[in-house]
Amino acid sequence: GNSVTQMEGPVTLSEEAFLTINCTYTATGYPSLFWYVQYPGEGLQLLLKATKADDKGSNKGFEATYRKETTSFHLEKGSVQVSDSAVYFCAPSGGGNKLTFGTGTQLKVEL
Amino acid sequence: DVKVTQSSRYLVKRTGEKVFLECVQDMDHENMFWYRQDPGLGLRLIYFSYDVKMKEKGDIPEGYSVSREKKERFSLILESASTNQTSMYLCASSRGLAGISYEQYFGPGTRLTVT
Repeated sequence: GNSVTQMEGPVTLSEEAFLTINCTYTATGYPSLFWYVQYPGEGLQLLLKATKADDKGSNKGFEATYRKETTSFHLEKGSVQVSDSAVYFCAPSGGGNKLTFGTGTQLKVEL
Repeated sequence: DVKVTQSSRYLVKRTGEKVFLECVQDMDHENMFWYRQDPGLGLRLIYFSYDVKMKEKGDIPEGYSVSREKKERFSLILESASTNQTSMYLCASSRGLAGISYEQYFGPGTRLTVT
């Protein structure tokens, strides 16, 4: 089955710093790739996605590029804000419309 | 906007009780999912349903059952709650078309404590 490796958190950054959260995966075939975000006390919501190799997903200043050759989908943002503090999950798709979630990376942004 | 609602945000039950967690979605989605979320373990799939009355075991189905009598509603049942089932439970739904991976929409979660 699929598996996902995310960098461990928590990641603590100052406001306006550059963010990278690494994600690598193993999967059969050509999965779609998703990043979800979970704000405190809430469920998960989709942040961005990419459906084929070299696609770049982007939303709210976050970006991630589908790298088939390195089986990676690293999340980046050029300038984080305090409001970006949340837990971020990487998830490749599997068979039957299922997703495999990573363990999540907690981001804390301080003033 | 898609809305996925869960019957309770917080629930406290005693060991051995039968527990029902309800989930309703309003977008006519074919697929519905139940996950549990634990620190350091991420989200783990308990059960998945791809149509009314159809279900499939996920990665950790032991101690749980599910029911899907109507398309919009997916229930998770703990037949005899145990303390190791204390967790955050998340419901999700998605469209379902063979060969296409659609995003999943999540409810706010139910934090269940079994004492």
